[in-house]
Amino acid sequence: EDQVTQSPEALRLQEGESSSLNCSYTVSGLRGLFWYRQDPGKGPEFLFTLYSAGEEKEKERLKATLTKKESFLHITAPKPEDSATYLCAVCSGTASKLTFGTGTRLQVTL
Amino acid sequence: KAGVTQTPRYLIKTRGQQVTLSCSPISGHRSVSWYQQTPGQGLQFLFEYFSETQRNKGNFPGRFSGRQFSNSRSEMNVSTLELGDSALYLCASSSQLAGGDTQYFGPGTRLTVL
Repeated sequence: EDQVTQSPEALRLQEGESSSLNCSYTVSGLRGLFWYRQDPGKGPEFLFTLYSAGEEKEKERLKATLTKKESFLHITAPKPEDSATYLCAVCSGTASKLTFGTGTRLQVTL
Repeated sequence: KAGVTQTPRYLIKTRGQQVTLSCSPISGHRSVSWYQQTPGQGLQFLFEYFSETQRNKGNFPGRFSGRQFSNSRSEMNVSTLELGDSALYLCASSSQLAGGDTQYFGPGTRLTVL
């Protein structure tokens, strides 16, 4: 069974203080690893899809990387509007379902 | 393109009642998946429909069911509601010709069971 573990559970940063979120996974036959951002009471907003080890993707202040066992979401010089819960999910084998981690709650303060 | 839409956005029901939630996928997407999100269990997969056929199913009781129409719109139904069914129900769509395609989520339906 696929497993996804995210750390830390919560992270508080000052504006401009860069950091990384971790997503460790165990799957048989990774088809894709996904990062989403979720604001309270809203649906997850898609950020990145990674398919193979060594792949990297960037968008504004965010950069996602992938190894064979984990993925990192690097946040460079965050702003208060980056405050949200960041979710990691995997899809494996022939199934199309996503298995999610419990998320990292990020708070960025002035 | 318009995003995934879900109706209604909020529902309040009492134990024992049944409820139907609706999801319209992104135009051209043929796969619709449903997830339940609760503070205790996080996001959990309910089922997926592709071209009107249930392709995958999660570990939920038979009270949870769904269907997909020829225009790819989907509905999920929960019968004999329990207090524990209170959750945010999320619908996601993708082209999903093969596993691993990106799923795009709707805003969710907040169900409260009293």
